[in-house]
Amino acid sequence: DAGVIQSPRHEVTEMGQEVTLRCKPISGHDYLFWYRQTMMRGLELLIYFNNNVPIDDSGMPEDRFSAKMPNASFSTLKIQPSEPRDSAVYFCASRTAGAADTQYFGPGTRLTVL
Amino acid sequence: KQEVTQIPAALSVPEGENLVLNCSFTDSAIYNLQWFRQDPGKGLTSLLLIQSSQREQTSGRLNASLDKSSGRSTLYIAASQPGDSATYLCAVSGYSTLTFGKGTMLLVSP
Repeated sequence: DAGVIQSPRHEVTEMGQEVTLRCKPISGHDYLFWYRQTMMRGLELLIYFNNNVPIDDSGMPEDRFSAKMPNASFSTLKIQPSEPRDSAVYFCASRTAGAADTQYFGPGTRLTVL
Repeated sequence: KQEVTQIPAALSVPEGENLVLNCSFTDSAIYNLQWFRQDPGKGLTSLLLIQSSQREQTSGRLNASLDKSSGRSTLYIAASQPGDSATYLCAVSGYSTLTFGKGTMLLVSP
């Protein structure tokens, strides 16, 4: 299994531009999570999906952030327009349906907004 | 709201030492507690998962304990090696989601 795949690994963009981050979860996993990691705030849950349906988006910081999961093998996190304070590492993770199961993390996308 | 605290924030030890990392959480209603390792520029790798009904889990030189009633967990690393240098994160699980501490950055010097 290739694990959770994220792209791009690095993204540098200018303030005001649209940014799209992509994630392919592990095949057969029912849950998908998007996290943001910064030095100040640590690892924060932004949104998660169960069977492609968004369950809790209370961690999404602003309306500039949106996430979709059109099918079981693909999800996107979009920021429009981007701002310098959005600079962070964004992780995607997935797991099976069992509540006791661990989450498997992708390598992350390092986003820099100039 | 669940809050997870990890102490110390950073730790530097010489190779061969045994060490303990601490994690505390405010809400004892958890499904499980996990310890993750994060190497610089990489994602998180699960090290140990302790179910809420368990007291400890062991994997090689790693031993994690859980005292749910007091809201505490420890990660014990025996005979530390330079390859153990990384950030260690504690996370507690509600039904679907994890709440993470900010981590302990460990440096093991040869």
